[in-house]
Amino acid sequence: DVKVTQSSRYLVKRTGEKVFLECVQDMDHENMFWYRQDPGLGLRLIYFSYDVKMKEKGDIPEGYSVSREKKERFSLILESASTNQTSMYLCASSPSLDTQYFGPGTRLTVL
Amino acid sequence: SQQGEEDPQALSIQEGENATMNCSYKTSINNLQWYRQNSGRGLVHLILIRSNEREKHSGRLRVTLDTSKKSSSLLITASRAADTASYFCATDLNDYKLSFGAGTTVTVRA
Repeated sequence: DVKVTQSSRYLVKRTGEKVFLECVQDMDHENMFWYRQDPGLGLRLIYFSYDVKMKEKGDIPEGYSVSREKKERFSLILESASTNQTSMYLCASSPSLDTQYFGPGTRLTVL
Repeated sequence: SQQGEEDPQALSIQEGENATMNCSYKTSINNLQWYRQNSGRGLVHLILIRSNEREKHSGRLRVTLDTSKKSSSLLITASRAADTASYFCATDLNDYKLSFGAGTTVTVRA
């Protein structure tokens, strides 16, 4: 079974803090993705990566950055957390152009 | 940019009944996928239908695709309490990206 893990299920941070969300997949997938999910808005793509050290902006990259130093790990960084970044963050990986495999999500609250 | 839109937003049915939800999209696609999300969890892939297919089955799931109307439907037959979840359609925007709708929340009453 494909396994995508995320470092935390729940996270509470303060405004202005630097936040790291980690995602690891164990299936040697080329592609990895970070989404945020908000009620009524569905999933919105923040960043994705199709190879090590490669990254592309998604629909809402402002306020975020990413890092992919190793194939299995894709990190999402909030440089200076703000309250409007309170959300559910979902990581996914994909071996091809089709199915994406999701992690359990991290519910981030920024106070 | 959100391409897919599910309808209805919410659905409540009795256990044993069928549940049908629809997805409409705007531009041409290579494939369309359906995912399920249980409360507070990640999404799980259910089924993928390619643009040259009209219908696909997987267990109690039946998906149809009408590319002329740019729409798809997901039917869950003989629903169970465990089917209570949100269901999302996703269309491919290009080689790497998917666009997800806002989802249909299905509640199956015992």
